[in-house]
Amino acid sequence: KQEVTQIPAALSVPEGENLVLNCSFTDSAIYNLQWFRQDPGKGLTSLLLIQSSQREQTSGRLNASLDKSSGRSTLYIAASQPGDSATYLCAALHGSSNTGKLIFGQGTTLQVKP
Amino acid sequence: DGGITQSPKYLFRKEGQNVTLSCEQNLNHDAMYWYRQDPGQGLRLIYYSQIVNDFQKGDIAEGYSVSREKKESFPLTVTSAQKNPTAFYLCASSISGIALTDTQYFGPGTRLTVL
Repeated sequence: KQEVTQIPAALSVPEGENLVLNCSFTDSAIYNLQWFRQDPGKGLTSLLLIQSSQREQTSGRLNASLDKSSGRSTLYIAASQPGDSATYLCAALHGSSNTGKLIFGQGTTLQVKP
Repeated sequence: DGGITQSPKYLFRKEGQNVTLSCEQNLNHDAMYWYRQDPGQGLRLIYYSQIVNDFQKGDIAEGYSVSREKKESFPLTVTSAQKNPTAFYLCASSISGIALTDTQYFGPGTRLTVL
């Protein structure tokens, strides 16, 4: 059974710091891995999607990497800002190519202090 | 303005009542999903539908029911059989649910509280 874990559950950093959020999964047979952002009491916004054949994806100050062999993905945030404060969730698409399901981690809640 | 809407934003239910959560999308997406989110836990899949008039159970379908009579709409009913329904419910959609490059787009959520 696929399990996705995010550690730590919470992280607090000063503004301007570069930081890395971690995501690990137990079954390397994934089709893709996605990173989402969730603001308090809101829905999820997709940040980056990495296909299983890719190593990384970049969008602005965000860079996500994927290492299937070690069962790990990281989300790198450069020059963090208070507006980056939110919960970040990773999700692995697992199963068959026609009925794959997203398996979510518990999330890391990030606070960026001014 | 394309997107996914969920209503109501907050819902209170007495024990023993059935309640229905609304989810509507105007993105012309074929696939729609319902998730449940509890504090400190990731999202868990309740039901999903890849096409009109068809849907499948997710990981925690017991005590829930859905219908997919129209492409734009995927309502979720929380029945009295659901033992612990207090949670944040999120609806999502994707273009096809089959293509591996599809991302899911989420609605703003409905917070259900059992009194």
